[in-house]
Amino acid sequence: DAKTTQPTSMDCAEGRAANLPCNHSTISGNEYVYWYRQIHSQGPQYIIHGLKNNETNEMASLIITEDRKSSTLILPHATLRDTAVYYCIVSRISSGSARQLTFGSGTQLTVLP
Amino acid sequence: DTGVSQDPRHKITKRGQNVTFRCDPISEHNRLYWYRQTLGQGPEFLTYFQNEAQLEKSRLLSDRFSAERPKGSFSTLEIQRTEQGDSAMYLCASRPSAGGHNEQFFGPGTRLTVL
Repeated sequence: DAKTTQPTSMDCAEGRAANLPCNHSTISGNEYVYWYRQIHSQGPQYIIHGLKNNETNEMASLIITEDRKSSTLILPHATLRDTAVYYCIVSRISSGSARQLTFGSGTQLTVLP
Repeated sequence: DTGVSQDPRHKITKRGQNVTFRCDPISEHNRLYWYRQTLGQGPEFLTYFQNEAQLEKSRLLSDRFSAERPKGSFSTLEIQRTEQGDSAMYLCASRPSAGGHNEQFFGPGTRLTVL
């Protein structure tokens, strides 16, 4: 699976949009971009995923550049409960293999009151 | 609560002792994963089950580690002769077989401290 690069930490004011970048310049055509987050002392939680189109769900939006070499996770109105480590992961489309998730160090997002 | 449960949540043991952790995945999920997470790092893959078959093991899974999923439901992870370097959070995750989407549902983890 392709490697990802994320900033170590970011701050965001409560109520503002949080924009978390991720570089995945070696991504291949059969790989999705996934975002998970991990709130302190809990297991990781799935947020959203995409292939090449922008995606939105009740938690967040995912913007993937046209060349697919980078993406941005957007939390439109960050709350204190969004303080967590956010992981950007690239995962192959393949139903036959284990498809374990390869986590990097992620971005520590701190939402400030 | 994702529906994946792990027991115990915390375990303190002395070096050289054996420990066993249990994971109960979401009942209709036939794929189960174990990960290990050390302080300040992201989770690292240990092993993968599809039903009762253990299909993949990481190089991190030394011969002191063994995992089972005897009836394709719950799973256990045993560490024999624990070492201080085994201190970590052990996470279990599950996902359904159908579809190509790789959303994994994680349990709360078992935090192991080896003294």
